[in-house]
Amino acid sequence: DQQVKQNSPSLSVQEGRISILNCDYTNSMFDYFLWYKKYPAEGPTFLISISSIKDKNEDGRFTVFLNKSAKHLSLHIVPSQPGDSAVYFCAARYSNTGKLIFGQGTTLQVKP
Amino acid sequence: DGGITQSPKYLFRKEGQNVTLSCEQNLNHDAMYWYRQDPGQGLRLIYYSQIVNDFQKGDIAEGYSVSREKKESFPLTVTSAQKNPTAFYLCASSINQGYTEAFFGQGTRLTVV
Repeated sequence: DQQVKQNSPSLSVQEGRISILNCDYTNSMFDYFLWYKKYPAEGPTFLISISSIKDKNEDGRFTVFLNKSAKHLSLHIVPSQPGDSAVYFCAARYSNTGKLIFGQGTTLQVKP
Repeated sequence: DGGITQSPKYLFRKEGQNVTLSCEQNLNHDAMYWYRQDPGQGLRLIYYSQIVNDFQKGDIAEGYSVSREKKESFPLTVTSAQKNPTAFYLCASSINQGYTEAFFGQGTRLTVV
């Protein structure tokens, strides 16, 4: 049973426009949500996180929004750059064990 | 340079053989994790360790074993009991299990032929 879901396997946007990556979760025991970026044949790198008690966190071009009632979070990248092209993983952390559960990933392509 | 080192980057083994993947970190992190990545399935947790000499099964531990004899090392053995061992394996660490950010190694691509 997939507790963290990224329903869009891929997304293509034009350089300079906004990229919106979505993630849904089912478990109310998650206390933190994270986004990781991954290039082929490399390990994921941490991008941004948000606590379950907040609804927005911003870091430069990256903003994460959390809608707890809908159990939904999204990552906004504005403006998108070709170097942002990668696989983006959403992850959720269990409050009691610290385990990170990852979604399936969304491949973002930013076209010049 | 502080970080997590996984070796080797590519590994080939014959079916039926056990193989051990190395993971070393010099970040002084207490918690370490092993994940497996398959196409379309994201990262799935195999084992994790919160402290030396202690580890717990993740969601897909069958066919795998680990040890945590030293803080900086968390090797993963893929045994012959693992039915589909060919995958990309990722090791990660965090300051402790309560810390949100995990740092990942570069991964090991294991191919069993």
